[in-house]
Amino acid sequence: DTAVSQTPKYLVTQMGNDKSIKCEQNLGHDTMYWYKQDSKKFLKIMFSYNNKELIINETVPNRFSPKSPDKAHLNLHINSLELGDSAVYFCASSQNRGSGNTIYFGEGSWLTVV
Amino acid sequence: GEDVEQSLFLSVREGDSSVINCTYTDSSSTYLYWYKQEPGAGLQLLTYIFSNMDMKQDQRLTVLLNKKDKHLSLRIADTQTGDSAIYFCAETSYSSASKIIFGSGTRLSIRP
Repeated sequence: DTAVSQTPKYLVTQMGNDKSIKCEQNLGHDTMYWYKQDSKKFLKIMFSYNNKELIINETVPNRFSPKSPDKAHLNLHINSLELGDSAVYFCASSQNRGSGNTIYFGEGSWLTVV
Repeated sequence: GEDVEQSLFLSVREGDSSVINCTYTDSSSTYLYWYKQEPGAGLQLLTYIFSNMDMKQDQRLTVLLNKKDKHLSLRIADTQTGDSAIYFCAETSYSSASKIIFGSGTRLSIRP
């Protein structure tokens, strides 16, 4: 019954590795997002997709590549992981762009790069 | 660019009211939100207000919006230990498309 689910919840990996975080929403929403929360708890948007189309791409290194195979899924692939990539990554979805009452977040994926 | 600011910490005695304040810069903001994040957990949408409203009440929560001053507040009545969390103010607007801009979060701690 989870509305926005992300896997894995915890990920510890070595520098230089490539890893993916998967996100799925079962709410029938059109828009999905990836947010990064750093150690100071600051939340910054990374990407947004609307119906599988990239609509927001903030200043994020090219090592981060989102993939949306369909509108219910938005996966985040990270190449050549660096120590500074350690953070919590949140997936979210909404019915419409910026809709007030339908923005839901996943539980987060805690990434630690060692 | 758009900016949302909040104070980082607030300490309140159990049973008192908590008031968490937020200011924003985007004059075209349409929706303003309050999210709650408990330790080790995700973000829970508490409430939101549309920019043409000035107040919204939902049980123990009261949101006040002063659009002229671009000031948003969240009042929690009868604060309980379970209210300990980080509270994020956020906003979005037609001009920012799908971006939801978050404040830095206010860590609310409850003392007995």
